[in-house]
Amino acid sequence: DIQMTQSPASLSASLGETVSIECLASEDIYNNLAWYQQKPGKSPQLLIYYASSLQDGVPSRFSGSGSGTQYSLKINSLESEDAATYFCLQDSEYPYTFGAGTKLELK
Amino acid sequence: QVQLKESGPGLVQPSQTLSLTCTVSGFSLTSNSVSWVRQPPGKGLEWMGAIWSGGSTDYNSALKSRLSISRDTSKSQVFLKMNSLQTEDTAIYFCTRAELGYFDYWGQGVMVTVSS
Repeated sequence: DIQMTQSPASLSASLGETVSIECLASEDIYNNLAWYQQKPGKSPQLLIYYASSLQDGVPSRFSGSGSGTQYSLKINSLESEDAATYFCLQDSEYPYTFGAGTKLELK
Repeated sequence: QVQLKESGPGLVQPSQTLSLTCTVSGFSLTSNSVSWVRQPPGKGLEWMGAIWSGGSTDYNSALKSRLSISRDTSKSQVFLKMNSLQTEDTAIYFCTRAELGYFDYWGQGVMVTVSS
C-alpha cells in the first residue's frame, strides 16, 4: 500500500498569513493527489485534484503543487473560514490512502 | 445536482453485521464509481472499497474478508455489508462519488457505534 505522510499535524496561523501543508508519498503517485478540507461534523470537501487543479467554486487562495512523491497545499491570505482539518488523498492505485490530516487553527 | 445520502442503523452489536445504504441522485451508477470511506471519531479517513461503473468491486485488503459492496442501479443505491463488527469499527461511514479517481461528492455520513 502507498503510505501518505502528511505534515504538520497541526498549524496555528493568523488571518492574512500564508501557510503550506505537505504530503509525502512512499512511491511515485504521478500527480494523482487530491486535497480536502473538513470542518467538524461535516464531510470532506474537495479543494484540489490532480495535484494542482482547483475544484470549481473553491477560492483561488488555495493552490496545489508537486510531483513524484512530494506535494503541497498552499493557502494564501488566510480567512477565518479556513479553520479546518485538511487531508491529502492518493488516487494513483488501490487501496486509495489518505494523509493523517493537518488541523489548521486561526489565532 | 449530485447528492449522496447514507442510511443505516446507528448502533450495532459486536460480532454482528453492518448494513448501510447509499442513495444517490444527480448521476448514474453506470457512469461513476462509488466508494465507501470511514472515519473513526477524531481520527483520519480510511478507504474501504468501491463499486465501479461496470459493477465490479475493489476492497481494502485490510477489510476484504469482512466486506461486501453491491448496488441496485434501478434504485440508484449502493450497499455496504460488513460482518464480524468490533468496537474499532465504530466510525462515521461516508459514501462518495469518484470522478476519474478522486472523490468529488460526499454524503453527509452516518455514525455507526459498535457496542453491546
